[in-house]
Amino acid sequence: GDSVTQMEGPVTLSEEAFLTINCTYTATGYPSLFWYVQYPGEGLQLLLKATKADDKGSNKGFEATYRKETTSFHLEKGSVQVSDSAVYFCALTFNAGKSTFGDGTTLTVKP
Amino acid sequence: DTAVSQTPKYLVTQMGNDKSIKCEQNLGHDTMYWYKQDSKKFLKIMFSYNNKELIINETVPNRFSPKSPDKAHLNLHINSLELGDSAVYFCASSQDVSPLHFGNGTRLTVT
Repeated sequence: GDSVTQMEGPVTLSEEAFLTINCTYTATGYPSLFWYVQYPGEGLQLLLKATKADDKGSNKGFEATYRKETTSFHLEKGSVQVSDSAVYFCALTFNAGKSTFGDGTTLTVKP
Repeated sequence: DTAVSQTPKYLVTQMGNDKSIKCEQNLGHDTMYWYKQDSKKFLKIMFSYNNKELIINETVPNRFSPKSPDKAHLNLHINSLELGDSAVYFCASSQDVSPLHFGNGTRLTVT
């Protein structure tokens, strides 16, 4: 079956540090890929997405590129802020009805 | 103008009780979901409905019964609550392969 593996946390960084959260997937075919972010006490919200190979999703300074050859969708940000502290989820979707989520990576950014 | 709203936000109850969580979406989406998030932030799909029809029913105890009176509503009823049911329950909706829109969650505590 489909699966998503993302970097284990927790991840702790200082403000303005570079962030990478690794995400790889296993799927038959070419799914759409997503990064969701969950701030404390809230539901998940879409951070960025990519629907086909070599697409780059970007939002709020975060980026991720759909790499078919390595089946990866790593999340990066050049300079993190304290407000980026949250749980980040990588996910894939083939069609309506079911998305497969990674286990989530908790990021804490210290001033 | 909340897209996916669920009530209540907090639910504290005793073992053996029956409780319900309600969810409504105003996005016009055809598919709605219930997810369970445990204390380690792992997200697990429980049910998915498409146009009021059940399409995903993961391995969930039959004490959990979803009901979709129309495509904008998906409620979750839980019978004979157990300690292990304590978690945050998220409702979500989507259309085709669009990103999921999540509610803010219902934190259920069973004592």
